[in-house]
Amino acid sequence: GDSVTQMEGPVTLSEEAFLTINCTYTATGYPSLFWYVQYPGEGLQLLLKATKADDKGSNKGFEATYRKETTSFHLEKGSVQVSDSAVYFCALSDYKLSFGAGTTVTVRA
Amino acid sequence: DTGVSQDPRHKITKRGQNVTFRCDPISEHNRLYWYRQTLGQGPEFLTYFQNEAQLEKSRLLSDRFSAERPKGSFSTLEIQRTEQGDSAMYLCASSPGGGGFGANVLTFGAGSRLTVL
Repeated sequence: GDSVTQMEGPVTLSEEAFLTINCTYTATGYPSLFWYVQYPGEGLQLLLKATKADDKGSNKGFEATYRKETTSFHLEKGSVQVSDSAVYFCALSDYKLSFGAGTTVTVRA
Repeated sequence: DTGVSQDPRHKITKRGQNVTFRCDPISEHNRLYWYRQTLGQGPEFLTYFQNEAQLEKSRLLSDRFSAERPKGSFSTLEIQRTEQGDSAMYLCASSPGGGGFGANVLTFGAGSRLTVL
């Protein structure tokens, strides 16, 4: 079945560092791809999405590009802040979301 | 509308007891989903409703689990004869019913945490 594999954590960074979280997917069709974020003590929130190949999703300084040729949807941010500390989940959608295992990111001041 | 509401936020129960969780979706959303999340893992799909119809159940949903969505509004997830392995966060999500599933953005509730002693 359709699935995503994302980079294992935890990831610890200093403020203003560059963040990349790798995500690759396996799908028989052409799913939409998502990044969700879970801040400490809060529910899952949509961070960004892309619905077709070469689409770039962006939000809050984060970006991810839907790469069909490499079946990837890597998440990047050029300069992280302490407030970006959270668990990040890559997901794909046919009619339901299938999530990766999550990557815990901690940003130190 | 304040989003997806779940109740209770935390339930502690003894093994063998029954528990029920309630989810109130965003009012105009036709689709409702239940997921389970264990520590260190991503959410796992349990079941999905389109209005009041339950359209799919994961094999994770054993016979001890039952979900309903009467009248296509709120939903309940009941676990009978709980086991320690049922301890997890149970997440509810809803989404609009129109359009294809590809752009289907789910809005999640804060979850109901179950601890089975």
